[in-house]
Amino acid sequence: EAQVTQNPRYLITVTGKKLTVTCSQNMNHEYMSWYRQDPGLGLRQIYYSMNVEVTDKGDVPEGYKVSRKEKRNFPLILESPSPNQTSLYFCASSLEGAHTEAFFGQGTRLTVV
Amino acid sequence: GESVGLHLPTLSVQEGDNSIINCAYSNSASDYFIWYKQESGKGPQFIIDIRSNMDKRQGQRVTVLLNKTVKHLSLQIAATQPGDSAVYFCAENWHTGKLIFGQGTTLQVKP
Repeated sequence: EAQVTQNPRYLITVTGKKLTVTCSQNMNHEYMSWYRQDPGLGLRQIYYSMNVEVTDKGDVPEGYKVSRKEKRNFPLILESPSPNQTSLYFCASSLEGAHTEAFFGQGTRLTVV
Repeated sequence: GESVGLHLPTLSVQEGDNSIINCAYSNSASDYFIWYKQESGKGPQFIIDIRSNMDKRQGQRVTVLLNKTVKHLSLQIAATQPGDSAVYFCAENWHTGKLIFGQGTTLQVKP
């Protein structure tokens, strides 16, 4: 089954403790992207990757890192999480670029206390 | 994304009626537009897209209209069903990598 898989689905952590949210897709898509969703603000793009070893900032990249060492995986790294990063996070992939249909993961709800 | 003047956070319709969800996009250089549906507890799901060289595109029970003159996008859902209840987002793309989402409209379908 074609899908985008995020892990974990739920995470509660403490301020400053490094964490990684994994994202994997099995559709051989070139493009992958991370978003955060907050009430009243919709989805905002954090980082995106056009292909392996190519990443770029979205609208809200501060406090986040990503890597794209292989095509299928695009982990989101929070080196020192803060409470304002409490949010619902979505990973998405598409065949090529943001101008093609994107497939989203189920989301990761992160709480930073 | 949706502008204050056109964005309705919530739209309530009767089952069987047609629904129209509006969106005002921000960048006149945007050349690709998408509508997503998000059900409670799930990730957004692609509904329909349209490129800037088109004014209208139809899918199954859905139609997207694009008015580039006023930077307006709409999603029409015919014969709205209870399963259509969700939050609907428009999104625009003008750079190959960036995707900008609107704030979303919650569609409530009354039986």
